[in-house]
Amino acid sequence: SAVISQKPSRDICQRGTSLTIQCQVDSQVTMMFWYRQQPGQSLTLIATANQGSEATYESGFVIDKFPISRPNLTFSTLTVSNMSPEDSSIYLCSVEINLNLMNTEAFFGQGTRLTVV
Amino acid sequence: QKEVEQNSGPLSVPEGAIASLNCTYSDRGSQSFFWYRQYSGKSPELIMFIYSNGDKEDGRFTAQLNKASQYVSLLIRDSQPSDSATYLCAVKKQAGTALIFGKGTTLSVSS
Repeated sequence: SAVISQKPSRDICQRGTSLTIQCQVDSQVTMMFWYRQQPGQSLTLIATANQGSEATYESGFVIDKFPISRPNLTFSTLTVSNMSPEDSSIYLCSVEINLNLMNTEAFFGQGTRLTVV
Repeated sequence: QKEVEQNSGPLSVPEGAIASLNCTYSDRGSQSFFWYRQYSGKSPELIMFIYSNGDKEDGRFTAQLNKASQYVSLLIRDSQPSDSATYLCAVKKQAGTALIFGKGTTLSVSS
């Protein structure tokens, strides 16, 4: 298993500002993912954070808006830039741990509940 | 067509009954299938995963997979009020890719 520490757990921010969310894992992991969960919705993948290279973004998400860092195998940050009320969501980091040769299990951080006013 | 589809519910069952949650997926090449439970305001937690056709049982939970029909389900036996939550179906296309989540089904178990 993996223990993920994500912070802050919640924040209220002014529009136009930026917030950086941190994700720390208690073991080295290859794959880290950042998801967004808007109110009443499911989880949508923002990007895959790769150690040693640029993050891979999903359609509809861009690096200028959601810059990601992955300096080592245990840590990643997601920045929500130039925030607007539409960015109000829960942001979750996730890591994958090998269950066996064929499968992995995804573990989630506690989430960051962001409100933009 | 959405990649992973679930009935949003709410699904209401009395305590002690069997709750049946269903999920369909569009990519026939998907390899692994997961059920997560999410309580309000909390992160998702894994209940079960399955990758072979058939049934997989773990306590009160049974996951069922039918790849020909692109269908996966979760049965909860002897439902308890503490099972009331949103259940997310997630699909992994292949190793090294992220999970794709359905919108979730809200389950309400009444005592």
